[in-house]
Amino acid sequence: NAGVTQTPKFQVLKTGQSMTLQCAQDMNHEYMSWYRQDPGMGLRLIHYSVGAGITDQGEVPNGYNVSRSTTEDFPLRLLSAAPSQTSVYFCASSYLQAGGYTFGSGTRLTVV
Amino acid sequence: GENVEQHPSTLSVQEGDSAVIKCTYSDSASNYFPWYKQELGKRPQLIIDIRSNVGEKKDQRIAVTLNKTAKHFSLHITETQPEDSAVYFCAASPYDKIIFGKGTRLHILP
Repeated sequence: NAGVTQTPKFQVLKTGQSMTLQCAQDMNHEYMSWYRQDPGMGLRLIHYSVGAGITDQGEVPNGYNVSRSTTEDFPLRLLSAAPSQTSVYFCASSYLQAGGYTFGSGTRLTVV
Repeated sequence: GENVEQHPSTLSVQEGDSAVIKCTYSDSASNYFPWYKQELGKRPQLIIDIRSNVGEKKDQRIAVTLNKTAKHFSLHITETQPEDSAVYFCAASPYDKIIFGKGTRLHILP
């Protein structure tokens, strides 16, 4: 099993550009989430999904969209990048609601 | 929504001593409390978790305690070693999501 795979690992965007961060898991996990990590702020939940076709907002959803058309994939879209979205983004998945998340290796995004 | 407070933000302990990290949560619906360790430049990794029907859980040098009435939970690391140096995150899970605290940077001093 590859676990949770995130691409790209690094990305530089210009303000106003859009892009999609990819996340895929091969563990047949129903629960998937996106977090952003900023210094001193911990891991903040952006969006999450409890299965294909079902998504919901987390703590900091503004400026981001998600969709979950398959169990395996959970892409995160930045609609119009802003410098405030410079961060490290982690995707995570779990088999159970009350089960430990497996994290991807992260995407370091810089918006200039 | 759920709010998880974590203290202290930084903790330095002598190698061999114990370390304690404390968290509080706000949503009484939370029923699952995982702890993650993140080494520099790496992804967070689950080290131990506890469910709301259990008061304490141990795994070798690591233990977690949960007080549902007070909405407190804690991580205890005994006989600390240099490889315990990392950032530790507590989290609480109400319904279908997991909310994290801001983290504690643990330094193990030689």
